[in-house]
Amino acid sequence: DAGVTQSPTHLIKTRGQQVTLRCSPISGHKSVSWYQQVLGQGPQFIFQYYEKEERGRGNFPDRFSARQFPNYSSELNVNALLLGDSALYLCASSLAPNGELFFGEGSRLTVL
Amino acid sequence: SQQGEEDPQALSIQEGENATMNCSYKTSINNLQWYRQNSGRGLVHLILIRSNEREKHSGRLRVTLDTSKKSSSLLITASRAADTASYFCATVPTGANSKLTFGKGITLSVRP
Repeated sequence: DAGVTQSPTHLIKTRGQQVTLRCSPISGHKSVSWYQQVLGQGPQFIFQYYEKEERGRGNFPDRFSARQFPNYSSELNVNALLLGDSALYLCASSLAPNGELFFGEGSRLTVL
Repeated sequence: SQQGEEDPQALSIQEGENATMNCSYKTSINNLQWYRQNSGRGLVHLILIRSNEREKHSGRLRVTLDTSKKSSSLLITASRAADTASYFCATVPTGANSKLTFGKGITLSVRP
């Protein structure tokens, strides 16, 4: 069975640009969460979506947005990129909002 | 903000020895989880312990939870070189669904 898949795996952007990251959850999982992991730190919660509705939002600026589609896949969008947005962006899926999280391999974003 | 604080920050042991990692947290929790991450890749869920549990085992892993001290420990017995990775504790605060709050992690090196 396929695990959580994320794309792209690596990308390089310049300051001010916009980026969209994609996540496909494990089949049957209806909840998707996004985390940002800066080098040397633990992951920080950005968003959780369940059944296409936002269930939680972390302490991130409005430049960060996300959505979940009818097939439960999700996109994370970041506008007006800053150097500090360089990080590994992790997507995790679960059967339900309180369920065990299964993480993808992440999308590594570098902002120059 | 980081809820969990792992201790030590780095640990180096010989293959076959036991590794003990500690985690402290600040607020009341629904459960506490331990994850492993290999060199900037995705996180792998190791074990979950609920707030009403005191000890849990999974293979070579043993986790304890002391809610009165707001602390947890992860013991890896008979360590192997393949256990070399970063280990994170993550808490689900009471009432926060599956929003995980991670610590900064412990870097474990197991020398062959």
